Amino acid sequence: GDSVTQMEGPVTLSEEAFLTINCTYTATGYPSLFWYVQYPGEGLQLLLKATKADDKGSNKGFEATYRKETTSFHLEKGSVQVSDSAVYFCALRSQAVIFGKGTKLSVKP
Amino acid sequence: GAVVSQHPSWVICKSGTSVKIECRSLDFQATTMFWYRQFPKQSLMLMATSNEGSKATYEQGVEKDKFLINHASLTLSTLTVTSAHPEDSSFYICSARAGFSTDTQYFGPGTRLTVL
Repeated sequence: GDSVTQMEGPVTLSEEAFLTINCTYTATGYPSLFWYVQYPGEGLQLLLKATKADDKGSNKGFEATYRKETTSFHLEKGSVQVSDSAVYFCALRSQAVIFGKGTKLSVKP
Repeated sequence: GAVVSQHPSWVICKSGTSVKIECRSLDFQATTMFWYRQFPKQSLMLMATSNEGSKATYEQGVEKDKFLINHASLTLSTLTVTSAHPEDSSFYICSARAGFSTDTQYFGPGTRLTVL
């Protein structure tokens, strides 16, 4: 069945460092791809999405490009802030949204 | 944006009792609602999908007689955990989608269930 694999955390970075969280997927067809974020003590929020190959989703300085050839949707940010500390989930939509296991990011000042 | 609420936000119950969790779409009509379960430090696992007025479709391994889902209206779905046991303690999250073709699912804040 459809599935999402993302790099395991936790990831600890210093403020202003470059962030990459890898995500690959297995799916039939061409699903829409998402990154969700869960801040401490809060519910899930959609961070960005891409609906077709070569689309780039972006929001709050985060970006991810839908790569059909490598079945990937890696999340990147050029300069992280302490406020970016959260758990990030890569996901795809088949019948429902299917999530990866999540990657906890901690950004130190 | 669209808002999904859950009630209660947390509940503690005794083993053997039943607990009902409500999920409401506050400013849109949800043709489809989803229930997820999140274990500590783990991802969200889809439990079931329900369309308004239809029986829920459960994922493999989820006991439909234990986790009763009712999607009686376009704005309300309920999850009842029957005869709860400590292993049912978890974080339950509902999600709603406005139409069959839209990608966007809106997530509720979750309900923390603790079974003593």
